[in-house]
Amino acid sequence: KAGVTQTPRYLIKTRGQQVTLSCSPISGHRSVSWYQQTPGQGLQFLFEYFSETQRNKGNFPGRFSGRQFSNSRSEMNVSTLELGDSALYLCASSPDRTSGNEQFFGPGTRLTVL
Amino acid sequence: QKEVEQNSGPLSVPEGAIASLNCTYSDRGSQSFFWYRQYSGKSPELIMSIYSNGDKEDGRFTAQLNKASQYVSLLIRDSQPSDSATYLCAAYTSGTYKYIFGTGTRLKVLA
Repeated sequence: KAGVTQTPRYLIKTRGQQVTLSCSPISGHRSVSWYQQTPGQGLQFLFEYFSETQRNKGNFPGRFSGRQFSNSRSEMNVSTLELGDSALYLCASSPDRTSGNEQFFGPGTRLTVL
Repeated sequence: QKEVEQNSGPLSVPEGAIASLNCTYSDRGSQSFFWYRQYSGKSPELIMSIYSNGDKEDGRFTAQLNKASQYVSLLIRDSQPSDSATYLCAAYTSGTYKYIFGTGTRLKVLA
């Protein structure tokens, strides 16, 4: 099975711009989660989607949003970029079972905000 | 605030030794636990999952879970320099749809 894919892998933007990141989960996985990882803060949960519905959300400002499509692919959007948004953005997918709910990460998108 | 705590390290062990990584969690409702390995500049890679009390072995890796003590550990036998990485512990509670990660323990295996 192909793993989780994320595009683009690298992005450079300037403050005030917006950005859209894309994630394709492992085939058959219906749950997609997004994380922000920075050296100082570790892995911070952004949101989780299942069947096109956001089921949980982390403590991030409304500039961070996401969605999931009927084929389970997901996108996240960050508007009005700030310097502090520079980070590795990780997408992870899981089968969403009651047990054995292993989550697998994509390679990440490294966003640099200048 | 539900948390997963790990010692940040670095934990240094000589090549061939056993590395022992520990993690505690605060949510007694957590049912599933995972260990990820993350090399610098790369994304986390799942190496072990454990769901019930006791030990689970996979090759050189053994995960241990004690729900009464809210404690998870990972043992790496015959540690190799290639095992040098940051190890992340995660807990999942169904119903929250959220995996809570520790901040990771940096492991250094010295050749």
